[in-house]
Amino acid sequence: EVVMTQSPVTLSVSPGERVTLSCRASQNIVDNLAWYQQKPGQAPRLLIYGASTRATGVPARISGSGSGTEFTLTISSLQSEDFAIYYCQQYNNWPLYTFGQGTKVEI
Amino acid sequence: DVQLVESGGGLVQPGGSLRLSCAASGFMFNTYWMTWVRQAPGKGLEWVANIKGDGSEKYYVDSAQGRFTISRDSAKSSLSLQMHSLRAEDTAVYFCARGGIRRSTPFDFWGQGTLVTVSS
Repeated sequence: EVVMTQSPVTLSVSPGERVTLSCRASQNIVDNLAWYQQKPGQAPRLLIYGASTRATGVPARISGSGSGTEFTLTISSLQSEDFAIYYCQQYNNWPLYTFGQGTKVEI
Repeated sequence: DVQLVESGGGLVQPGGSLRLSCAASGFMFNTYWMTWVRQAPGKGLEWVANIKGDGSEKYYVDSAQGRFTISRDSAKSSLSLQMHSLRAEDTAVYFCARGGIRRSTPFDFWGQGTLVTVSS
């Protein structure tokens, strides 16, 4: 099983700030990494796939980078609608998809 | 527009059974891998099972193997998850999600989820 570890667990920020979330895989997953955003009471929303490709409708202030075992999600200027929990997911070790434990971005 | 709507959740006793359904619309259902993902209260996401577009391949997380069965009905554009021998640790919101046309793809559309509570 590929273990995904996210850091930090919680990130306290102010609107307009730049934020960087990290995700580490326990083995090489190439670029088979996705990021999801989840708000309370809602389903997850796909933000990034292929480590760096934005999904349809995702604003340009959200970007992903990395390959191998180290990945980053960056929000260049945090907006009010960005306060949420973010999960990374590997799909390299298919069909055993695994998610990170999540990073909560709070005010 | 792609829509996924789950149903069938509820309260069930330990050892009991439950069948979840997911009605899909807005895309060629029999072309896509479909998935069930669950989320225990206050916890993260866990992949449970997935099924190929034609139903010929099915995969499960170890904890679901032998207890859960994923299936699909292309005529009805419907995905199902039959769950038996339910345990307290199966308590979660269950989401259906769309995978890709090929293997090894993320989940681009999700339903709103249905809550399963296993308790006496």
